[in-house]
Amino acid sequence: QVQLVQSGAEVKKPGSSVKVSCKASGGTFNTDAISWVRQAPGQGLEWMGGIIPIFGTANYAQKFQGRVTITADESTSTAYMELSSLRSEDTALYYCARGPVVVAKSYYYYMDVWGKGTTVTVSS
Amino acid sequence: DIVMTQSPATLPVSPGERATLSCRASQSVSNNLAWHQQKAGQPPRLLIYDASTRATGIPARFSGSGSGTNFSLTISSLQSEDFAVYYCHQYNNWPQTFGQGTEVEIK
Repeated sequence: QVQLVQSGAEVKKPGSSVKVSCKASGGTFNTDAISWVRQAPGQGLEWMGGIIPIFGTANYAQKFQGRVTITADESTSTAYMELSSLRSEDTALYYCARGPVVVAKSYYYYMDVWGKGTTVTVSS
Repeated sequence: DIVMTQSPATLPVSPGERATLSCRASQSVSNNLAWHQQKAGQPPRLLIYDASTRATGIPARFSGSGSGTNFSLTISSLQSEDFAVYYCHQYNNWPQTFGQGTEVEIK
């Protein structure tokens, strides 16, 4: 049974960076995909990007391009999401989620197991 | 980006009644469409993937249908634990995108 354990809540100053971790247990970390999704207070879900550890490269939403970096450490089955140049609008609950990868003409993945979320608060 | 539009925004339903939620994509997403349920204070939970396949452990009262641009989620007989927010989610194109959610509330 796959479980995702995320790092604890963070409080950051505007302009700084935050790095959130997501450790997986069970499942097949290397060949699964890990996505990062955020949810601002009282708002809906927003996909930020994802990575397939065995491929090594990440996909990002254009909105976050240049500010977000998603990485994965296969040796510890841990994925990371780093968001830089933080502003107040980045205050949100950040989820990691894992899912199977389907390879067809291209590849795609969805999320079938979600972490509990990490609260990031950006405030001066 | 593909825009996912859900309707209605709020759906009042009595326990035991049937609920049908709609999701429309701004362009075809084939059948690469999922539905997630989120209760207050909890992370989302996958209900349906590939438009119509129930995820592991999801009760049979949840069913999904559709392909291309029009999709629906049906809950055949609402139970008390089903009152929540439901999000559709396309994973056919980058970036993946979610609908704004439909809140199923007690009538």
